[in-house]
Amino acid sequence: AQKITQTQPGMFVQEKEAVTLDCTYDTSDQSYGLFWYKQPSSGEMIFLIYQGSYDEQNATEGRYSLNFQKARKSANLVISASQLGDSAMYFCAGSSNTGKLIFGQGTTLQVKP
Amino acid sequence: NAGVTQTPKFQVLKTGQSMTLQCAQDMNHNSMYWYRQDPGMGLRLIYYSASEGTTDKGEVPNGYNVSRLNKREFSLRLESAAPSQTSVYFCASRDYSLVEQFFGPGTRLTVL
Repeated sequence: AQKITQTQPGMFVQEKEAVTLDCTYDTSDQSYGLFWYKQPSSGEMIFLIYQGSYDEQNATEGRYSLNFQKARKSANLVISASQLGDSAMYFCAGSSNTGKLIFGQGTTLQVKP
Repeated sequence: NAGVTQTPKFQVLKTGQSMTLQCAQDMNHNSMYWYRQDPGMGLRLIYYSASEGTTDKGEVPNGYNVSRLNKREFSLRLESAAPSQTSVYFCASRDYSLVEQFFGPGTRLTVL
């Protein structure tokens, strides 16, 4: 079974600066995926970025990039040029080939003007 | 496209009452999922349906039943609600060709 750990309950970042949200995973699967979702105060789950275990390049989507270090079993999310609208809860999640997602406990990010 | 829709948006139950949460998707996705999110926590999988006609337990299935009515609809039933089932319930769907799961807006359930 997978386990996802997010050790930062809360983070602050100044507007326009970059921030890294940590995520470590533990799995015995050979093939797996790692996801980041954003949950604003309105409650919906917004997909941000995905990294497959066999992908050699780190995934990027606009201002989001995933710093994937397989040997360290980490999949950190980097948000560049933070905006006030980035204030939200961020969840790291892992999946196996069944598609089931295992979520971490989340990190609350607050962007300061 | 409406995506994934859930009804109701809010519900208050008394202990022992039963209810069914409805979920429908219009994206022709094969797989559907039910999660619960407790305050300050990540989502936990209750049940999932990899394809029409199949259902399987997730991490926290006790106290729940599901029905994959057809490819579009996946319902979650609480037979005898308990205060521990107070939570926000999310339905999600996914196509085999995609990695992303698409989430519904959630149902906020309170059991008194």
